[in-house]
Order: sequence, then C-alpha cells, then structure tokens
Amino acid sequence: AQSVTQLGSHVSVSEGALVLLRCNYSSSVPPYLFWYVQYPNQGLQLLLKYTTGATLVKGINGFEAEFKKSETSFHLTKPSAHMSDAAEYFCAVRQGGSEKLVFGKGTKLTVNP
Amino acid sequence: SQTIHQWPATLVQPVGSPLSLECTVEGTSNPNLYWYRQAAGRGLQLLFYSVGIGQISSEVPQNLSASRPQDRQFILSSKKLLLSDSGFYLCAWMRGSSTDTQYFGPGTRLTVL
Repeated sequence: AQSVTQLGSHVSVSEGALVLLRCNYSSSVPPYLFWYVQYPNQGLQLLLKYTTGATLVKGINGFEAEFKKSETSFHLTKPSAHMSDAAEYFCAVRQGGSEKLVFGKGTKLTVNP
Repeated sequence: SQTIHQWPATLVQPVGSPLSLECTVEGTSNPNLYWYRQAAGRGLQLLFYSVGIGQISSEVPQNLSASRPQDRQFILSSKKLLLSDSGFYLCAWMRGSSTDTQYFGPGTRLTVL
C-alpha cells in the first residue's frame, strides 16, 4: 500500500529564509506526486505536481519540488520565504490507474518577521 | 472553467441531529467526486468517493453516508450526528485520467455540540 511521510508537523522559518518541506513516499511503481497548500478555513489549492518528464517541477508562488526516485522523495522548496507563505502544506501520491490520492499528515509552516 | 461549490460554509448541530452537506461541480461532466474530513491533528481522511451516478465507495466505516443523485452533485449525510463527527469537510473532484489533479471545494466547518 502506498504511504506518504512528511517529516516535521511544524516548520518555522524567518522571512527571506529558505523553505524546505520534506516528503517521502512508498510505492511499488513510480507514482504521480502532488503538493497542496491550505490556508486557514479554506480548501486545498494545488501548488505543483509531478507526473512524468523533468524531475524538477516549478509551481505557483515561487515553489518548486524535485522528484528523486532513488530517495523516494519529493521535497518542496522556496528560496525566500514570504509572510504570505504561512499555511499548511500537504504532500500526496497517486498511483497510475487509481482514483484515490494518499495524503501525508501535513506540515504547518510559520514565517517569522 | 470548472468550479466546485460546497454548502453550507459553517454548521453547528446538536448531537443526534441529522446532517446533509452538499457539493456541486460546474463546467465538467462525469467527474470523480470525493468527500474528505479534517479533524484536529488528524490530517486528511478520505470518507467516500464516486466514479459515477449511484456509485459510492466507502473508505471508513462510520455513521455517515454519501449519495450521488446527479452527475455533478455529491451529498454527505448522517441520520444522527456524534460529537466525533465535528471537523472540516472537503469535497473534491477529478477527471478520470491517471495524471489528473484533484480540485478541492472551500469546505464546510461542522461543529457538533
């Protein structure tokens, strides 16, 4: 069965600092990978996704993620944090042919001034 | 373009009362539809999904049920609410292709007292 592990339920960075949110997955075949962001009392919004092709994926709001098959990882990064990045971030995996996404438990990002 | 609606946005209900949450998708046909629940500290839990009218798959045994009376309408119901049903309920839709993304609605905050 697929699973997703997000290391660190809470991450705190200073404004302007690098953001690194970690995601590891387990899957018997290369999956499709997603990062979503959720602001308080709102639905989830897609940041970026990896399906095939280039392993470095760029998303909205300056975020990017790199698919590393050998490490079964899909970490999310942003070079310089902004106050508006404070939110909860979810990594998710979908195996081809499945109708379901499997989500990690989420990482809450705090950005300090 | 496609949009997804959920109502109500907020609901406060007494224990033992019935529940009906509605989700409607516009701008697409024959979508996959999903109900998730977020309870405090428990991440995203898939409750039900549907790949077509009248087709419901249940992921977690509980006192909730789902129905899909029309192609783009998905309803979450309960005959008698429990305190543990409190949470943030999210509806999502997805096209059936294996590389596609799930798109989330704005959510319903349910408080059971």
